[in-house]
Amino acid sequence: QSVLTQPPSVSGAPGQRVTISCTGSSSNIGASYDVHWYQQLPGTAPKLLIYGNSNRPSGVPDRFSGSKSGTSASLAITGLQAEDEADYYCQCYDSSLSGSGVFGGGTKLTVL
Amino acid sequence: QVQLVESGGDLVKPGGSLRLSCAASGFTFSDYYMSWIRQAPGKGLEWLSYITDSSFTNYADSVKGRFTISRDNAENSLYLQMNSLRAEDTAVYYCAREVTAARGNALDVWGQGTMVTVSS
Repeated sequence: QSVLTQPPSVSGAPGQRVTISCTGSSSNIGASYDVHWYQQLPGTAPKLLIYGNSNRPSGVPDRFSGSKSGTSASLAITGLQAEDEADYYCQCYDSSLSGSGVFGGGTKLTVL
Repeated sequence: QVQLVESGGDLVKPGGSLRLSCAASGFTFSDYYMSWIRQAPGKGLEWLSYITDSSFTNYADSVKGRFTISRDNAENSLYLQMNSLRAEDTAVYYCAREVTAARGNALDVWGQGTMVTVSS
């Protein structure tokens, strides 16, 4: 299991709003480390979607937004589109681990 | 344009070794921290190792003592030497560029990945 917990799957109809949660602990999200989100379309490499909790890289639509509170973070997608169907991963630094960043287990978004 | 291209993935027997490469272009490679991340078939992402611009290194427990990250700034290249390979090391291996931040780096550029299969 990852130290960052995400729901295995979420779904929504086109045009709807969905949220994906990322729950951590006092050694990662709760320690005020930034949360980053990645989108992985089928058969492709991950792509940075949100950095620093709520910032969008150039080119990412404003339908995607991120937030953080306490030991959790969330990714929200509004105006759901078919091309949003992908796997989504949160990532954060964890001070209790020997390495650097840790990823959540990933969430599969299905557009109905 | 900014690009990372991995190479070196192959089929290798348990206990064997392999060296992955990542060629960087379109940015000043020496200025950036770089990381290796892997993804086992049908599984999630696992961060493995990073190297700073001054070549300080760090590793996940799962690969510490078996894998070695290195860089050649003159060649704009990142490497991952993998020894004592196990079946559970079977995965797509990605290199990625880190964007430095005070409260935890993000990975803003990824390569396309290279497949490593460990099997007898």
